[in-house]
Amino acid sequence: DQQVKQNSPSLSVQEGRISILNCDYTNSMFDYFLWYKKYPAEGPTFLISISSIKDKNEDGRFTVFLNKSAKHLSLHIVPSQPGDSAVYFCAASEGGATNKLIFGTGTLLAVQP
Amino acid sequence: SAVISQKPSRDICQRGTSLTIQCQVDSQVTMMFWYRQQPGQSLTLIATANQGSEATYESGFVIDKFPISRPNLTFSTLTVSNMSPEDSSIYLCSVGTSGALQFFGPGTRLTVL
Repeated sequence: DQQVKQNSPSLSVQEGRISILNCDYTNSMFDYFLWYKKYPAEGPTFLISISSIKDKNEDGRFTVFLNKSAKHLSLHIVPSQPGDSAVYFCAASEGGATNKLIFGTGTLLAVQP
Repeated sequence: SAVISQKPSRDICQRGTSLTIQCQVDSQVTMMFWYRQQPGQSLTLIATANQGSEATYESGFVIDKFPISRPNLTFSTLTVSNMSPEDSSIYLCSVGTSGALQFFGPGTRLTVL
């Protein structure tokens, strides 16, 4: 039972254009969502997060949108840069004492120069 | 954010042997976690390493296969016991901070022959 899904295994975008990465979830108890970037041979790096009480959070070139009714979130990267090429994971948490994260399957973003 | 190191960074092991992976953090943290990323897969939580008590394992993971130690607030080990080729994965430790945010170590790439 995959509670967090990223249906696009890969995405190719031209440098300077917008990258949109999507994530869907099934558990309505999730109240905190995060995006991580992962380069090969490195651990995931935290990018941006959003609480369920918000529908948008922005940090520089990165913006995360949350649509709770659709159980959908997206990460927008504008403008995309070749250094953004990596695997992007969305993750979700129910919060509480354990703060466990449930990860999606990842999307490989390739930004073409 | 905490600085997290893991040893070894990679290893190649024979079937039936065991490997202990170390995770060191540069500051005291309450929550430490161990994840596995099998080839082409997402990150899956193995267990939460609790200081001073037994680890809390997720469904599908057992202490006999993945014993965990947490002797203090800056260090934890994960042992992969009686290894088989199916255990070939990247093993990652992470630390929890405020809320659900976690920071990850660089990972240990394990290949079992």
